Amino acid sequence: AQSVTQPDIHITVSEGASLELRCNYSYGATPYLFWYVQSPGQGLQLLLKYFSGDTLVQGIKGFEAEFKRSQSSFNLRKPSVHWSDAAEYFCALFTGGFKTIFGAGTRLFVKA
Amino acid sequence: DARVTQTPRHKVTEMGQEVTMRCQPILGHNTVFWYRQTMMQGLELLAYFRNRAPLDDSGMPKDRFSAEMPDATLATLKIQPSEPRDSAVYFCASGRGQENSPLHFGNGTRLTVT
Repeated sequence: AQSVTQPDIHITVSEGASLELRCNYSYGATPYLFWYVQSPGQGLQLLLKYFSGDTLVQGIKGFEAEFKRSQSSFNLRKPSVHWSDAAEYFCALFTGGFKTIFGAGTRLFVKA
Repeated sequence: DARVTQTPRHKVTEMGQEVTMRCQPILGHNTVFWYRQTMMQGLELLAYFRNRAPLDDSGMPKDRFSAEMPDATLATLKIQPSEPRDSAVYFCASGRGQENSPLHFGNGTRLTVT
């Protein structure tokens, strides 16, 4: 079965602290994985993507993600969170048939 | 920057009325997707097209929802008749239909059915 799981519905971190958002996937072939961010009232915007090569990928806004095949994970990280990072984050998997499926999302709250 | 354009941004209507949402995908993108987002269900894929042909609409309630692409620059999602449970944000997204190509989302249509 093809699926994307984001175990954390919401996370609160202090401004300046590090961040890790978890994502696990289930897919029988080489996964093509994405992280998107959604700010209030807007559509989803691509942060980064992984489809081959280096397991650590860099994205926009200082985000990075590490692909671990053995753990079926693609966790998103940022060394120092800014208040403007407060948003909802979605992990996504490109599946056969041109379809992309999304996790349920993790809402990030940033406290001063 | 090329963008996916959705209209209207907001729609309030009464139960039983027809609702039409429109989407202009990015020029050159050959796949178009309709998603519905609610607090309870998250992002649900309703339907998607490749080269204007519908590939899968199994996520849509067939009796009241319909999705079409009259041409490469326009995708529509219709609800007739609308019901309060259809209240949600509807997103259109387009892409190149390749594994390493991300989706580009519009800003959504927020639908409220009273």
